[in-house]
Amino acid sequence: DSGVTQTPKHLITATGQRVTLRCSPRSGDLSVYWYQQSLDQGLQFLIQYYNGEERAKGNILERFSAQQFPDLHSELNLSSLELGDSALYFCASSGTLGYGYTFGSGTRLTVV
Amino acid sequence: GENVEQHPSTLSVQEGDSAVIKCTYSDSASNYFPWYKQELGKGPQLIIDIRSNVGEKKDQRIAVTLNKTAKHFSLHITETQPEDSAVYFCAADDTGGFKTIFGAGTRLFVKA
Repeated sequence: DSGVTQTPKHLITATGQRVTLRCSPRSGDLSVYWYQQSLDQGLQFLIQYYNGEERAKGNILERFSAQQFPDLHSELNLSSLELGDSALYFCASSGTLGYGYTFGSGTRLTVV
Repeated sequence: GENVEQHPSTLSVQEGDSAVIKCTYSDSASNYFPWYKQELGKGPQLIIDIRSNVGEKKDQRIAVTLNKTAKHFSLHITETQPEDSAVYFCAADDTGGFKTIFGAGTRLFVKA
């Protein structure tokens, strides 16, 4: 157990639907990062939050949004889902900026 | 923004041999270079990291080297074991350290 909790582990949904992925960071970590990993692909950065504020944005689609709540957990919302959104979505957390991340075990999203 | 290239994409070695994975980065302002190991069905796990003020770092059978002038860094695994089989990602922080950019990954197979 890495200390970063992601739920659900698996999600199967239909095209056009909306889903919410949840992440609880490791205790004490203020930063949360979301990454997308498609089949046999690398880790694509989506978005970062630090203590409730958005700090950096990657190639995140307009259909996707995220937020970090006062208790530091984060949610990634994916809407108008397309087949190509099927992927593993990882959340990671870190304490101080510029240090290594602790990753959760991911949410596997399948859009059918 | 930062771009990280990683080679090779696949590496197969005999148990006991050494494995070397090489990466290059584009942002000369990057100063933190972590390496992650991802086993099947799990999230990436930080295995070693190096900062720009250090040229080499070792931790048991793994070592990382950094050449800031050439913007190259490498992971060396000696005396490989079957449990070293996994996907390895190099990474570099972007300017400001607000996010980490990952290489495309190297799938390492260690044959017993």
